[in-house]
Amino acid sequence: QVQLVQSGAEVKKPGSSVKVSCKASGGIVGSFVISWVRQAPGEGLEWMGGIISTLDTANYAERFQGRVTITADESTSTAYMELSSLRSEDTAVYYCARSRGGSYSAFVIWGQGTVVIVSS
Amino acid sequence: DIQMTQSPSTLSASVGDRVVITCRASQSISSWLAWYQQKPGKAPKLLIYKASNLESGVPSRFSGSGSGTEFTLTISSLQPDDFATYYCQQYNSHSITFGGGTKVEIK
Repeated sequence: QVQLVQSGAEVKKPGSSVKVSCKASGGIVGSFVISWVRQAPGEGLEWMGGIISTLDTANYAERFQGRVTITADESTSTAYMELSSLRSEDTAVYYCARSRGGSYSAFVIWGQGTVVIVSS
Repeated sequence: DIQMTQSPSTLSASVGDRVVITCRASQSISSWLAWYQQKPGKAPKLLIYKASNLESGVPSRFSGSGSGTEFTLTISSLQPDDFATYYCQQYNSHSITFGGGTKVEIK
């Protein structure tokens, strides 16, 4: 059974950065398409961006451009999301999610979520 | 970016009711639409992809329809396990967007 396992909860100071990892296990080899989605407390889902590992090219939602960096390592089946210049409004659960196939599509598998708290 | 508008934002229903949730896109997305169910403290779960395709393992009481800019998710007979929040998502381009969500509550 394929799973996405994310790194643990983080508490960060405003202005700092956070890097969250997402490792695929259970049979995934080679290329993958991973997106990052966040959910602030009591709010809806927000796509931040994604990466197609074969192209090693990331796409970002306009509102996160310049502040988020998504990378992937096919050799370890791991994707990363780094968010910089953190502010209190970035407090949220951050999910990674995998699309079926080789391009962006519906998210068939989700990670368990990583809680990021930004507080002074 | 393509905006996705879901309605209603909250829906009160009883077990056995037929429930319909609507999602409208600000421009045509063909059939590149998915529906998710999310329960508190859990990651979303894919129900429907490409507007009308039922994901493996999802009960057949869930169905999706529509194309272009108007889409619906229908639950034919609401079950106790279906009380949750539902989101639509477009993936027409390399910039993905979600609807605001519909919370299905017990009446």
